[in-house]
Amino acid sequence: ETGVTQSPTHLIKTRGQQVTLRCSSQSGHNTVSWYQQALGQGPQFIFQYYREEENGRGNFPPRFSGLQFPNYSSELNVNALELDDSALYLCAIRREVNTSSYNEQFFGPGTRLTVL
Amino acid sequence: GQNIDQPTEMTATEGAIVQINCTYQTSGFNGLFWYQQHAGEAPTFLSYNVLDGLEEKGRFSSFLSRSKGYSYLLLKELQMKDSASYLCAVNRDDKIIFGKGTRLHILP
Repeated sequence: ETGVTQSPTHLIKTRGQQVTLRCSSQSGHNTVSWYQQALGQGPQFIFQYYREEENGRGNFPPRFSGLQFPNYSSELNVNALELDDSALYLCAIRREVNTSSYNEQFFGPGTRLTVL
Repeated sequence: GQNIDQPTEMTATEGAIVQINCTYQTSGFNGLFWYQQHAGEAPTFLSYNVLDGLEEKGRFSSFLSRSKGYSYLLLKELQMKDSASYLCAVNRDDKIIFGKGTRLHILP
């Protein structure tokens, strides 16, 4: 158990729709990252939030956006869904800097998004 | 995977030893992770190397050479439950970037 939860577990949308995925953690962290993982591939870095500000972004278009909230939760929003957006979406958190486990990144169970 | 290379698939026998290699581009490097991922599940943390050398954790060991941009994960006394994907990930400028993963098949 990593203490990181994601909702929903599975989601089916149609092309052109918008989706919001959620991530939350039971304990303190200051960095949350979102990844997209297609079948048989490694996770692709979408973006990262540090203390509620985006501080890094991968090669994803602006229709992928996010938020991080003071209560340790985070959202990934995707607008104008395309068929290729079908994937497992993972959030990952890193603990506070002053703990010995800072360098461990804990993943949530993921949200499986299918775009039809 | 932004210049993080690892073999796509490997096969080994139960009880044996296997070494999974990873090479990466060294610019902005801060450390290297190894994760295990079973099919349909999220990745789970195995190791994080910052300094050169070998770190051992039970049956799993991870090695890093920063000058060569090279790491390996060594799995000993293989068990059937070790059948999974093994992901090499680089902490680059405080962003964690993954390779495509190595699918490890264990034969009885």
